[in-house]
Amino acid sequence: DGGITQSPKYLFRKEGQNVTLSCEQNLNHDAMYWYRQDPGQGLRLIYYSQIVNDFQKGDIAEGYSVSREKKESFPLTVTSAQKNPTAFYLCASTGTAKGDEQFFGPGTRLTVL
Amino acid sequence: RKEVEQDPGPFNVPEGATVAFNCTYSNSASQSFFWYRQDCRKEPKLLMSVYSSGNEDGRFTAQLNRASQYISLLIRDSKLSDSATYLCVVETTGRRALTFGSGTRLQVQP
Repeated sequence: DGGITQSPKYLFRKEGQNVTLSCEQNLNHDAMYWYRQDPGQGLRLIYYSQIVNDFQKGDIAEGYSVSREKKESFPLTVTSAQKNPTAFYLCASTGTAKGDEQFFGPGTRLTVL
Repeated sequence: RKEVEQDPGPFNVPEGATVAFNCTYSNSASQSFFWYRQDCRKEPKLLMSVYSSGNEDGRFTAQLNRASQYISLLIRDSKLSDSATYLCVVETTGRRALTFGSGTRLQVQP
């Protein structure tokens, strides 16, 4: 089955630690995205990548980093510089045509203690 | 001003009711429009795309008014299973990332 996987589903970390969230897709999509969702709010764009080895900052990139070494994979690192890292993190991917649907992974809930 | 604005609700309606959600967007360069559905603690899933001519999918009808920068979603004959948060989503030319409204929560009651 084609889709997007994110792991782990739940993640707990101590304050001051970096943590990397995994996102893998087998949809052969060029573009991948990371969003963050806080309770009662919409999704906000962290980083996106439209092609391998290239990525751009979204609206709230501070305190995060990404890499795109393979088409299938777009890991997100939440660094200790991110002031409020506790949130629901969603990875998505899409094809190249205008208006193509964005497919989302099941998300990772990160709690920083 | 938020780029995509929605009434957060909640809308509490009885089964069988018709309910309408509205959304406004501020960026006139926006080119593609969608309604996504999000169940509690789950990822968003595409409900329908929104076209200038309007489109219908079963009990769901979406409308777009580019002049007023306004999008609507109408749900007829509400079912208990329609209870969810409905996200108004806009794709702006250039970066192909989506901008989400904060969502409108719908609770359909028996």
